[in-house]
Amino acid sequence: AQKITQTQPGMFVQEKEAVTLDCTYDTSDPSYGLFWYKQPSSGEMIFLIYQGSYDQQNATEGRYSLNFQKARKSANLVISASQLGDSAMYFCAMRESGGGADGLTFGKGTHLIIQP
Amino acid sequence: NAGVMQNPRHLVRRRGQEARLRCSPMKGHSHVYWYRQLPEEGLKFMVYLQKENIIDESGMPKERFSAEFPKEGPSILRIQQVVRGDSAAYFCASSPSGTMFTDTQYFGPGTRLTVL
Repeated sequence: AQKITQTQPGMFVQEKEAVTLDCTYDTSDPSYGLFWYKQPSSGEMIFLIYQGSYDQQNATEGRYSLNFQKARKSANLVISASQLGDSAMYFCAMRESGGGADGLTFGKGTHLIIQP
Repeated sequence: NAGVMQNPRHLVRRRGQEARLRCSPMKGHSHVYWYRQLPEEGLKFMVYLQKENIIDESGMPKERFSAEFPKEGPSILRIQQVVRGDSAAYFCASSPSGTMFTDTQYFGPGTRLTVL
């Protein structure tokens, strides 16, 4: 079973609109962290935002916020007021505290295209 | 403040040759992770190292692949006798500590390996 599921392979959004990128995860570990990364066409991986399993409030970083619904095991990324430069691949990732590999587990990504 | 550095950025090898990929973590980070990204895929964890120690190599192929992080110098991912299926982007990430699921991993720009 996939640990991280991103159900939107591609999305087209008009500039200045808000965008929600979906991410659901699967773990039985009570302690875990959820991360979002952006990968523009140039290829580098850019860290955007983090949410811990014990965090009471949704994480926010500038135009990025994370809609964390623990009972539903979802951690959707919200980008407000989208810009052309937001066009990129977006990856959701998880790290569990124990029992599994020490690395991040990534979803397959969502290709976001912002249209003028 | 220099980020994670990887070199070379692009590497071309013929089948049967060796590939050596280097990674210098961010200043103050002593934990290094290697990931592989196949075309149109998310990143897959390979190995996690601290200085002079391999902590978790559960994602490493059993043959031809090895990694080290010596006391001095960069971390090295070594692929012996490369095959076409090894063509991928290889990313290195670093974090300040390795044991907390809260630790953010910061990625380097990646090395694009092409095997002819």
